Amino acid sequence: EDQVTQSPEALRLQEGESSSLNCSYTVSGLRGLFWYRQDPGKGPEFLFTLYSAGEEKEKERLKATLTKKESFLHITAPKPEDSATYLCAVQAGFGNEKLTFGTGTRLTIIP
Amino acid sequence: DTEVTQTPKHLVMGMTNKKSLKCEQHMGHRAMYWYKQKAKKPPELMFVYSYEKLSINESVPSRFSPECPNSSLLNLHLHALQPEDSALYLCASSQGRATVDEKLFFGSGTQLSVL
Repeated sequence: EDQVTQSPEALRLQEGESSSLNCSYTVSGLRGLFWYRQDPGKGPEFLFTLYSAGEEKEKERLKATLTKKESFLHITAPKPEDSATYLCAVQAGFGNEKLTFGTGTRLTIIP
Repeated sequence: DTEVTQTPKHLVMGMTNKKSLKCEQHMGHRAMYWYKQKAKKPPELMFVYSYEKLSINESVPSRFSPECPNSSLLNLHLHALQPEDSALYLCASSQGRATVDEKLFFGSGTQLSVL
């Protein structure tokens, strides 16, 4: 069974204090690993897709990386508007429509 | 237009009521999804429609009945729900099974309370 574990569960940072969120996964035949951001009471918003170990993607203050067992979401010099829950999800097998989500990391950036 | 629109945003219903949740997208996506999300939990997949056919049903109770009238619309019919069904119901869409990138576009959800 596919499994996704995210850590830490919650993280409080001062504005400008860089850190990383972790997503460990067990899946047979990884097709893609996805990062989403979710604000309270809203649907998740797509951030990145990573397909193979060694791949990296960047968007503004966020950078996602992938190894064969885990993914990291690095946040550089965060701002209060980066506060959200960050969800990691894996897709196993091409054409498999099911994503398995992790429980998320609740990130709070303090001004 | 990269939006998935869900209505209503909030719904309160009794256990004997019948109601429907609606979802619409105009991105030409051929896969549409219903997810259920409890507070501080990840989204849980309920149903997937692929090319307007039900392709995944995650053993959801029959009091939830999905419908896909056409490639742009997705409904979730609710009947005789239980209080434990109270949750945020999310609709999502993606390009479809044959594509490389299956990223999901989510709507803002319907916050459902069952009394």
